[in-house]
Amino acid sequence: GENVEQHPSTLSVQEGDSAVIKCTYSDSASNYFPWYKQELGKRPQLIIDIRSNVGEKKDQRIAVTLNKTAKHFSLHITETQPEDSAVYFCAASIQGAQKLVFGQGTRLTINP
Amino acid sequence: NAGVTQTPKFRILKIGQSMTLQCAQDMNHNYMYWYRQDPGMGLKLIYYSVGAGITDKGEVPNGYNVSRSTTEDFPLRLELAAPSQTSVYFCASRSSGGATNEKLFFGSGTQLSVL
Repeated sequence: GENVEQHPSTLSVQEGDSAVIKCTYSDSASNYFPWYKQELGKRPQLIIDIRSNVGEKKDQRIAVTLNKTAKHFSLHITETQPEDSAVYFCAASIQGAQKLVFGQGTRLTINP
Repeated sequence: NAGVTQTPKFRILKIGQSMTLQCAQDMNHNYMYWYRQDPGMGLKLIYYSVGAGITDKGEVPNGYNVSRSTTEDFPLRLELAAPSQTSVYFCASRSSGGATNEKLFFGSGTQLSVL
């Protein structure tokens, strides 16, 4: 089955700097890659996703890149702000499949 | 729409007790899921359902049972609670309607402690 590895487990950056979180997946058939953000004490929420027919997707200060050959994808957050502090989860699945496999999560802290 | 509603929000159980975590959604989603999240860890799938009357095991099903008698409700049953089941439990749902509907909607979670 699919296995998703996420790094780093914790990340601390200065406000205004960029943050990058990386994930690798094992199943070459996977073609849907969402990212979820979980603020402290809250439920996870989808922030961006990418499908394997594109290499990059942007939404304001966040972007996701995908390298299908290497089977890895990354979340990029630019101009970080205090409200970006949260746990971020990557995930992977075969598009339309019933199950999503999550990475272990990255706790991102933005230092003022 | 209320979205995905979980009850209770908090619960403390003694070892060996049983309980049911309730989950209901009002979005007419066919797919529903139960995840557990241990401290500092990711989301592990316990059970899932693709429609009323259909359930299947996820990564960590031992010690749990589910049922899906209606589209709206997907309760999770813990029998003979153990300390290893101390965790935060999230219910989630999504539409089954193709590639544009894969967003998971999560409930607010149940914090369970087994002492």
